[in-house]
Amino acid sequence: QLQLQESGPGLVKPSETLSLTCTVSGGSISSSRYYWGWIRQPPGKGLEWIGNIYYRGSTYSNPSLKSRVTISVDTSKNQFSLRLNSVTAADTAVYYCARYYYESGSNWFDPWGQGTLVTVSS
Amino acid sequence: SSELTQDPTVSVALGQTVRITCQGDSLRNYYASWYQQKPGQAPLLVIYGKNNRPSGIPDRFSGSSSGNTASLTITGAQAEDEADYYCTSRDSSGNLLEVFGTGTKVTVL
Repeated sequence: QLQLQESGPGLVKPSETLSLTCTVSGGSISSSRYYWGWIRQPPGKGLEWIGNIYYRGSTYSNPSLKSRVTISVDTSKNQFSLRLNSVTAADTAVYYCARYYYESGSNWFDPWGQGTLVTVSS
Repeated sequence: SSELTQDPTVSVALGQTVRITCQGDSLRNYYASWYQQKPGQAPLLVIYGKNNRPSGIPDRFSGSSSGNTASLTITGAQAEDEADYYCTSRDSSGNLLEVFGTGTKVTVL
């Protein structure tokens, strides 16, 4: 059974860079069928898509975050990562990673990691 | 980019049927997927594609689509169905960009 687990610092200072890693177990990140995604949820608010990456490195990011977001993949470790620079308090959120599947006319995220809370504060 | 709009709150009596809607231009070209999120938990996929349920999702959950509106229907709502529900779809630009709906809080009375 595929599982995803987010890891990284729970506290980041304003203007610094948020860095998270998602470790995939129970399956290969190098599957040609899937992308891998990051989604976040500020406390008490809705879900926001951050971006997706394919195992060969192609990425798609939310235009509202694109200038600050870097998503990368390490197939040797079965991991993919998120870097978000110049963070502010507005970036405080629970960050989720998930597997993303798409086909003509349809797409979905499944399964999801449990999420990790990142707080931006000095 | 696209937007997906959902009613903020919906209530349903125990055992009755509730429909949650998601509106947006991208839904004319792409199916929505639907996620259930309970407090303190990660979202859980409940419907994907035209009307597909992942393994383990009860058959009281179903999906449909018409024009720019996608719907998630819970037929015979149970107490455990009380949760937030989100739709998502690809951006109408045709690129692999995703957008989430604003979310609907479902209360089972």
